[in-house]
Amino acid sequence: EIVLTQSPGTLSLSPGERATLSCRASQSVSNNYLAWYQQKPGQAPRFLIYGASSRATGIPDRFSGSGSGTDFTLTISRLEPEDFAVYYCQQYGTSRLITFGQGTRLEIK
Amino acid sequence: QVQLVESGGGVVQPGRSLRLSCAASGFTFSSYPMHWVRQAPGKGLEWVAVIGYDGIIKLYTDSVKGRFTISRDDSQNTLYLQMDSLRPEDTALYYCARDPLKGAPDYFDYWGQGTLVTVSS
Repeated sequence: EIVLTQSPGTLSLSPGERATLSCRASQSVSNNYLAWYQQKPGQAPRFLIYGASSRATGIPDRFSGSGSGTDFTLTISRLEPEDFAVYYCQQYGTSRLITFGQGTRLEIK
Repeated sequence: QVQLVESGGGVVQPGRSLRLSCAASGFTFSSYPMHWVRQAPGKGLEWVAVIGYDGIIKLYTDSVKGRFTISRDDSQNTLYLQMDSLRPEDTALYYCARDPLKGAPDYFDYWGQGTLVTVSS
């Protein structure tokens, strides 16, 4: 089973700043099959990124994904007030089993 | 628009059973693999199970193998999760989610709002 470790656990930033969230895998994620989701309190997760770097339909271009192998990054270029939430990475490339990272909480500083 | 509506959650004693349902609309249900994902109170996301678009492939996370069964009824556009021998650690909000690719398991492009299962004596 691939273990995904997200860092930092909590990120405190101000609107307008750039956010960089990390997701590290315990072994290489085949074909860079990594996705990102955003979850706000009391809501279902929202699909953001697939294939490590492809944005889902309707996702603003301030969200971008990058990385390969074992190291992946979600970047939010200029934070909007609605971006403060918990973010999860998820791999789907290996062993036909899906795993999630533990999440990064992005909070307003 | 795509809609997924879960139901069937509730409070149940350890060792008992529960069946969750997920009613789908707004897309051709029979063409998509479907998943169950759960979230314990205050915790992160945990994938539970997937069923292929044709109902043939069924995969489970280790902690529910032999206890949970995923199924689908394409005539009713409904996904199910039969949960037997429930444990307190199964307490969670259960989401159904659509997988956009036929070669599941992949990722989840649409999610329901979840149904809460509480296992407690």
